[in-house]
Amino acid sequence: DSGVTQTPKHLITATGQRVTLRCSPRSGDLSVYWYQQSLDQGLQFLIQYYNGEERAKGNILERFSAQQFPDLHSELNLSSLELGDSALYFCASSASGAQFFGPGTRLTVL
Amino acid sequence: GQQLNQSPQSMFIQEGEDVSMNCTSSSIFNTWLWYKQDPGEGPVLLIALYKAGELTSNGRLTAQFGITRKDSFLNISASIPSDVGIYFCAGQRPYSGGGADGLTFGKGTHLIIQP
Repeated sequence: DSGVTQTPKHLITATGQRVTLRCSPRSGDLSVYWYQQSLDQGLQFLIQYYNGEERAKGNILERFSAQQFPDLHSELNLSSLELGDSALYFCASSASGAQFFGPGTRLTVL
Repeated sequence: GQQLNQSPQSMFIQEGEDVSMNCTSSSIFNTWLWYKQDPGEGPVLLIALYKAGELTSNGRLTAQFGITRKDSFLNISASIPSDVGIYFCAGQRPYSGGGADGLTFGKGTHLIIQP
Protein backbone atom coordinates (compact mmCIF):
# COMPACT_ATOMS: atom_id res chain seq x y z
CA ASP A 1 0.00 0.00 0.00
CA SER A 2 1.63 3.23 -1.21
CA GLY A 3 -0.53 5.49 0.97
CA VAL A 4 -1.97 7.20 -2.13
CA THR A 5 -5.70 6.68 -2.61
CA GLN A 6 -7.78 7.16 -5.73
CA THR A 7 -11.51 7.04 -6.35
CA PRO A 8 -13.40 5.66 -8.11
CA LYS A 9 -11.67 2.41 -9.05
CA HIS A 10 -13.72 2.04 -12.23
CA LEU A 11 -15.72 4.54 -14.26
CA ILE A 12 -17.85 3.83 -17.31
CA THR A 13 -19.36 6.72 -19.22
CA ALA A 14 -20.42 7.83 -22.68
CA THR A 15 -18.75 10.01 -25.27
CA GLY A 16 -19.27 13.72 -24.71
CA GLN A 17 -19.63 13.36 -20.96
CA ARG A 18 -17.52 14.86 -18.17
CA VAL A 19 -15.99 12.98 -15.23
CA THR A 20 -13.95 13.82 -12.15
CA LEU A 21 -11.25 11.59 -10.72
CA ARG A 22 -10.06 12.09 -7.17
CA CYS A 23 -6.71 11.52 -5.50
CA SER A 24 -5.49 11.81 -1.91
CA PRO A 25 -1.70 11.96 -1.58
CA ARG A 26 0.44 10.31 1.08
CA SER A 27 0.36 12.13 4.38
CA GLY A 28 2.76 15.08 4.24
CA ASP A 29 3.40 14.99 0.47
CA LEU A 30 2.84 18.37 -1.15
CA SER A 31 3.29 17.30 -4.79
CA VAL A 32 0.63 15.46 -6.77
CA TYR A 33 1.19 14.19 -10.31
CA TRP A 34 -1.37 12.79 -12.78
CA TYR A 35 -0.52 10.16 -15.41
CA GLN A 36 -2.43 8.39 -18.17
CA GLN A 37 -1.64 4.80 -19.14
CA SER A 38 -2.89 3.39 -22.43
CA LEU A 39 -1.77 0.42 -24.51
CA ASP A 40 -0.49 2.52 -27.39
CA GLN A 41 1.06 5.47 -25.51
CA GLY A 42 2.26 3.78 -22.33
CA LEU A 43 2.55 5.87 -19.15
CA GLN A 44 2.37 9.58 -19.94
CA PHE A 45 2.76 12.49 -17.52
CA LEU A 46 -0.20 14.88 -17.61
CA ILE A 47 0.21 17.55 -14.93
CA GLN A 48 1.76 18.32 -11.54
CA TYR A 49 0.51 20.38 -8.62
CA TYR A 50 2.58 21.50 -5.66
CA ASN A 51 0.89 22.81 -2.53
CA GLY A 52 -2.15 23.97 -4.46
CA GLU A 53 -0.42 25.49 -7.46
CA GLU A 54 0.15 24.10 -10.93
CA ARG A 55 3.86 23.32 -11.23
CA ALA A 56 4.44 21.46 -14.51
CA LYS A 57 2.46 20.33 -17.54
CA GLY A 58 3.05 17.30 -19.70
CA ASN A 59 0.91 15.84 -22.49
CA ILE A 60 -2.39 17.09 -21.13
CA LEU A 61 -5.23 17.84 -23.53
CA GLU A 62 -7.10 21.14 -23.31
CA ARG A 63 -10.26 19.16 -22.48
CA PHE A 64 -8.55 17.98 -19.29
CA SER A 65 -7.90 20.08 -16.20
CA ALA A 66 -6.86 19.51 -12.62
CA GLN A 67 -6.69 21.27 -9.30
CA GLN A 68 -5.27 20.71 -5.84
CA PHE A 69 -7.26 21.78 -2.81
CA PRO A 70 -6.06 23.23 0.54
CA ASP A 71 -6.21 19.77 2.14
CA LEU A 72 -3.84 18.67 -0.69
CA HIS A 73 -6.21 16.23 -2.36
CA SER A 74 -6.42 16.65 -6.12
CA GLU A 75 -9.04 16.20 -8.79
CA LEU A 76 -8.59 15.54 -12.50
CA ASN A 77 -11.49 16.70 -14.66
CA LEU A 78 -11.97 15.15 -18.08
CA SER A 79 -14.58 16.71 -20.35
CA SER A 80 -16.05 16.14 -23.83
CA LEU A 81 -14.88 12.57 -23.50
CA GLU A 82 -13.86 10.60 -26.58
CA LEU A 83 -13.40 6.87 -27.10
CA GLY A 84 -9.64 7.39 -27.11
CA ASP A 85 -9.71 8.74 -23.56
CA SER A 86 -10.36 5.23 -22.27
CA ALA A 87 -7.31 4.43 -20.17
CA LEU A 88 -5.96 3.95 -16.68
CA TYR A 89 -5.41 7.23 -14.84
CA PHE A 90 -2.93 7.29 -11.99
CA CYS A 91 -1.98 9.90 -9.51
CA ALA A 92 1.32 9.88 -7.67
CA SER A 93 2.61 11.93 -4.78
CA SER A 94 6.05 12.85 -3.53
CA ALA A 95 7.73 14.84 -0.81
CA SER A 96 10.86 15.26 -2.92
CA GLY A 97 12.36 12.74 -5.29
CA ALA A 98 10.62 9.38 -5.63
CA GLN A 99 6.97 9.32 -6.64
CA PHE A 100 4.51 6.86 -5.11
CA PHE A 101 1.56 5.78 -7.21
CA GLY A 102 -2.05 5.17 -6.31
CA PRO A 103 -4.06 2.14 -7.49
CA GLY A 104 -5.52 4.04 -10.45
CA THR A 105 -8.93 4.71 -11.96
CA ARG A 106 -9.92 2.70 -15.03
CA LEU A 107 -11.98 4.92 -17.34
CA THR A 108 -14.04 3.33 -20.08
CA VAL A 109 -15.73 5.62 -22.59
CA LEU A 110 -18.47 3.93 -24.64
CA GLY B 1 5.62 12.35 -25.79
CA GLN B 2 9.22 11.37 -25.28
CA GLN B 3 9.91 7.91 -23.90
CA LEU B 4 12.94 6.07 -22.72
CA ASN B 5 14.34 3.12 -24.68
CA GLN B 6 13.80 0.13 -22.42
CA SER B 7 14.99 -3.36 -23.31
CA PRO B 8 14.28 -6.13 -23.60
CA GLN B 9 10.57 -5.83 -24.32
CA SER B 10 9.93 -9.24 -22.78
CA MET B 11 11.87 -12.01 -21.12
CA PHE B 12 11.02 -15.69 -20.73
CA ILE B 13 13.25 -17.23 -18.10
CA GLN B 14 13.45 -20.21 -15.77
CA GLU B 15 12.89 -19.85 -12.06
CA GLY B 16 16.20 -19.25 -10.32
CA GLU B 17 17.82 -17.42 -13.23
CA ASP B 18 19.20 -13.91 -13.01
CA VAL B 19 17.52 -11.11 -14.99
CA SER B 20 18.94 -7.92 -16.45
CA MET B 21 17.11 -5.04 -18.13
CA ASN B 22 18.15 -1.51 -19.02
CA CYS B 23 17.01 1.90 -20.13
CA THR B 24 18.75 4.47 -22.28
CA SER B 25 17.91 8.03 -23.22
CA SER B 26 19.29 10.76 -25.44
CA SER B 27 18.65 13.21 -22.57
CA ILE B 28 20.18 13.57 -19.13
CA PHE B 29 18.11 12.77 -16.06
CA ASN B 30 18.75 13.73 -12.46
CA THR B 31 16.84 10.81 -11.01
CA TRP B 32 16.22 7.26 -12.23
CA LEU B 33 13.43 5.15 -10.76
CA TRP B 34 12.45 1.52 -11.29
CA TYR B 35 8.85 0.36 -10.81
CA LYS B 36 7.00 -2.97 -11.02
CA GLN B 37 3.38 -3.10 -12.13
CA ASP B 38 0.98 -6.02 -11.76
CA PRO B 39 -2.12 -6.20 -14.00
CA GLY B 40 -4.78 -3.64 -13.04
CA GLU B 41 -2.68 -2.09 -10.28
CA GLY B 42 -0.51 0.97 -9.86
CA PRO B 43 3.27 0.95 -10.34
CA VAL B 44 5.14 0.04 -7.17
CA LEU B 45 8.48 1.72 -6.52
CA LEU B 46 11.40 -0.74 -6.36
CA ILE B 47 14.52 1.40 -6.35
CA ALA B 48 15.27 5.15 -6.58
CA LEU B 49 18.66 6.46 -7.81
CA TYR B 50 19.70 10.07 -7.30
CA LYS B 51 23.37 10.29 -8.21
CA ALA B 52 25.38 9.41 -11.32
CA GLY B 53 27.29 6.18 -10.74
CA GLU B 54 25.12 5.20 -7.77
CA LEU B 55 24.59 1.46 -7.27
CA THR B 56 21.69 0.54 -4.99
CA SER B 57 20.28 -2.79 -3.84
CA ASN B 58 16.88 -3.79 -2.49
CA GLY B 59 16.95 -7.47 -1.56
CA ARG B 60 17.54 -9.45 -4.77
CA LEU B 61 17.27 -6.29 -6.87
CA THR B 62 20.22 -4.11 -7.84
CA ALA B 63 20.07 -0.97 -9.95
CA GLN B 64 22.64 1.51 -11.19
CA PHE B 65 22.48 5.13 -12.34
CA GLY B 66 24.78 5.43 -15.38
CA ILE B 67 27.80 7.71 -15.23
CA THR B 68 26.60 9.64 -18.30
CA ARG B 69 23.19 10.15 -16.55
CA LYS B 70 21.56 8.84 -19.74
CA ASP B 71 21.07 5.23 -18.73
CA SER B 72 20.24 2.83 -15.93
CA PHE B 73 20.00 -0.92 -15.45
CA LEU B 74 18.10 -3.23 -13.12
CA ASN B 75 19.24 -6.73 -12.17
CA ILE B 76 17.15 -9.35 -10.39
CA SER B 77 19.02 -12.30 -8.98
CA ALA B 78 17.64 -15.81 -8.44
CA SER B 79 14.19 -15.06 -9.86
CA ILE B 80 11.09 -16.46 -8.16
CA PRO B 81 7.49 -16.78 -9.44
CA SER B 82 6.30 -13.58 -7.72
CA ASP B 83 8.82 -11.58 -9.78
CA VAL B 84 6.44 -11.96 -12.76
CA GLY B 85 5.12 -8.61 -13.93
CA ILE B 86 6.00 -5.54 -15.95
CA TYR B 87 9.06 -3.53 -14.94
CA PHE B 88 9.30 0.14 -15.87
CA CYS B 89 12.20 2.52 -15.75
CA ALA B 90 11.45 6.21 -15.28
CA GLY B 91 13.64 9.28 -15.48
CA GLN B 92 13.04 12.64 -13.88
CA ARG B 93 14.45 16.03 -14.79
CA PRO B 94 14.55 19.03 -12.50
CA TYR B 95 11.72 21.46 -13.06
CA SER B 96 12.96 24.75 -14.46
CA GLY B 97 11.30 26.65 -11.63
CA GLY B 98 12.80 24.43 -8.91
CA GLY B 99 11.65 21.03 -7.68
CA ALA B 100 11.11 18.13 -10.07
CA ASP B 101 9.19 17.53 -13.29
CA GLY B 102 6.93 14.62 -14.14
CA LEU B 103 8.43 11.23 -14.93
CA THR B 104 9.33 10.00 -18.40
CA PHE B 105 8.70 6.25 -18.63
CA GLY B 106 10.09 3.41 -20.67
CA LYS B 107 7.65 1.05 -22.41
CA GLY B 108 8.29 -1.71 -19.88
CA THR B 109 9.86 -5.16 -19.74
CA HIS B 110 7.44 -8.08 -19.40
CA LEU B 111 9.03 -10.72 -17.19
CA ILE B 112 7.61 -14.23 -17.53
CA ILE B 113 9.00 -17.03 -15.39
CA GLN B 114 8.65 -20.66 -16.34
CA PRO B 115 8.71 -23.01 -13.34
